[in-house]
Amino acid sequence: AQSVTQPDIHITVSEGASLELRCNYSYGATPYLFWYVQSPGQGLQLLLKYFSGDTLVQGIKGFEAEFKRSQSSFNLRKPSVHWSDAAEYFCAVASSGNTPLVFGKGTRLSVIA
Amino acid sequence: KAGVTQTPRYLIKTRGQQVTLSCSPISGHRSVSWYQQTPGQGLQFLFEYFSETQRNKGNFPGRFSGRQFSNSRSEMNVSTLELGDSALYLCASSRIGGSYDEQYFGPGTRLTVT
Repeated sequence: AQSVTQPDIHITVSEGASLELRCNYSYGATPYLFWYVQSPGQGLQLLLKYFSGDTLVQGIKGFEAEFKRSQSSFNLRKPSVHWSDAAEYFCAVASSGNTPLVFGKGTRLSVIA
Repeated sequence: KAGVTQTPRYLIKTRGQQVTLSCSPISGHRSVSWYQQTPGQGLQFLFEYFSETQRNKGNFPGRFSGRQFSNSRSEMNVSTLELGDSALYLCASSRIGGSYDEQYFGPGTRLTVT
């Protein structure tokens, strides 16, 4: 069965600094990969997704992620973090078109001035 | 257009009781999925309904059940509540479901079992 690991439970960055959130997955074939963001009291919002093709994926709010098959990783990046980016970020994987998403445990991002 | 709505937003129940949560998907969406979110286990898939049929089911006991109506609204029911059922229950809708289709999440129902 597929699984997702987000090694960092909590990350703190300064406003304006760059950000990288790590995600590693376990699955034999090429999975479908997603990043979601959850603000306090809100549901999840999709930031970006990867199915195939270009391994660098652009998403909303200035986020991007890179799929690296050799490392089984799909890390999320942002060049300059804004205070409004403080939230919890979830990486998710699905093995095929009709299988449910499997989520990582999440990484909480704090942004300091 | 209106987003996914979930009612109630907060709920307090006692052990042994049962509870029903409701989810109204985005207009035109036919797939509804339910997730349980807890600090310890994270986000776990409960089930997915499409056109009133359960299409996928997660690894939860039979106390957790759901249904979908002809207007795509969905309900989930938890019987004989346990303390461990305290969680945020999230509903997500999509047009046809499946991994290709973007899921839109509601704000969740916070269930507390005492």
